[in-house]
Amino acid sequence: SQTIHQWPATLVQPVGSPLSLECTVEGTSNPNLYWYRQAAGRGLQLLFYSVGIGQISSEVPQNLSASRPQDRQFILSSKKLLLSDSGFYLCAWGDKGVVAEAFFGQGTRLTVV
Amino acid sequence: AQSVTQLGSHVSVSEGALVLLRCNYSSSVPPYLFWYVQYPNQGLQLLLKYTSAATLVKGINGFEAEFKKSETSFHLTKPSAHMSDAAEYFCAVSVVTNAGKSTFGDGTTLTVKP
Repeated sequence: SQTIHQWPATLVQPVGSPLSLECTVEGTSNPNLYWYRQAAGRGLQLLFYSVGIGQISSEVPQNLSASRPQDRQFILSSKKLLLSDSGFYLCAWGDKGVVAEAFFGQGTRLTVV
Repeated sequence: AQSVTQLGSHVSVSEGALVLLRCNYSSSVPPYLFWYVQYPNQGLQLLLKYTSAATLVKGINGFEAEFKKSETSFHLTKPSAHMSDAAEYFCAVSVVTNAGKSTFGDGTTLTVKP
């Protein structure tokens, strides 16, 4: 069966510090991968998606970047965090070929102080 | 572009009462529709999905939703609420031309009163 791992679960970082959140998927190959951000009391905003290794599409301009160094690894990064980067970050994967549901990781609660 | 609107950011029901969470969508092509549930500090879990096979879709935990094209709606219902149903619920829409990306509504928080 497929599983998705996302870590860390919580993170408190000072303004101006770097960020690296990692997500890995097991039990499937060549998935679509997604990073979402969920602000308090709001819906999910798609930040990045990837259809393959090294292929990253950004949905909104921001202080973050994403990379996919391996087929089932998706990394969200920042060189210098802003207060506005605080939020709940969710990694997800989905199958290709048909419109399928997204399978989500447990999320990372990021607080920038 | 597609979009969803969830009517009511907060819904409160008594245990045993009917649950009705509303979702309306907008799409210029046939949509695929999903309902997800999120418990505090967790990821989202799929409740059910509509992929044009049947307009009435049954999901997990006793939830179901009906696709109504004429009303552009996909409301989520459960005949009898349980305390464990308290969570946040998200409606989402995807289309085949959009690389599998889903557009999510803002969510509805369901409170179940004893």
